[in-house]
Amino acid sequence: EVQLVESGGGLVQPGRSLRLSCAASGFTFDEFAMHWVRQAPGKGLEWVSGISWNSGRIGYADSVKGRFTISRDNAKNSLYVQMNSLRAEDTALYYCARGSIAARGYFDYWGQGNLVTVSS
Amino acid sequence: SYVLTQPPSVSVAPGQTARITCGGNNIGSKIVHWYQQKPGQAPVLVVYDDSDRPSGIPERFSGSNSGNTATLTISRVEAGDEADYYCQVWDSTSDHYVFGTGTKVTVL
Repeated sequence: EVQLVESGGGLVQPGRSLRLSCAASGFTFDEFAMHWVRQAPGKGLEWVSGISWNSGRIGYADSVKGRFTISRDNAKNSLYVQMNSLRAEDTALYYCARGSIAARGYFDYWGQGNLVTVSS
Repeated sequence: SYVLTQPPSVSVAPGQTARITCGGNNIGSKIVHWYQQKPGQAPVLVVYDDSDRPSGIPERFSGSNSGNTATLTISRVEAGDEADYYCQVWDSTSDHYVFGTGTKVTVL
């Protein structure tokens, strides 16, 4: 059974940093691209960032480019996102999601999400 | 950036058919995927590659895509289908993944 479990969220002040982690199990982690998708309270889904199986291809939404850094450790079956210079508008539930085998496709498994609140 | 527009809400009686549209410029040239999200839960993929269903998704869920509109159709709607639904594409111009604005389906 595919499982994705996010951790590392919490309350942080504007301008500070936070690192989210996603522990994956139930599939061959290094065969799949992985992504972060967020959802602000009461709002829709927003793709944040994605990373290919070998970290050779990385992408960011314009809203986070230059502030967020995605990475992965295939030996640990883990995905990360380092979030710097956090803003109030980054407040959201952050989901870890597995990318489809077909490149640039869909997200076939999702974690339960981890809440990040940016507030003073 | 590429924009996907969905109606904010759709209401349907049990047993009837719900159609959720996703509008985008020449969306028919892109590949569309659909997600269902129930309150307090993570999204679930219900249709991928315009019209395919993942295993475990009922045949009542179907998709189509042509011109400037993609459509998710839910036949014989049940109370358990009440949820938010999002369309999604990959935009080659920006190399970004784009979600639609979301549609809340209410079963009367």
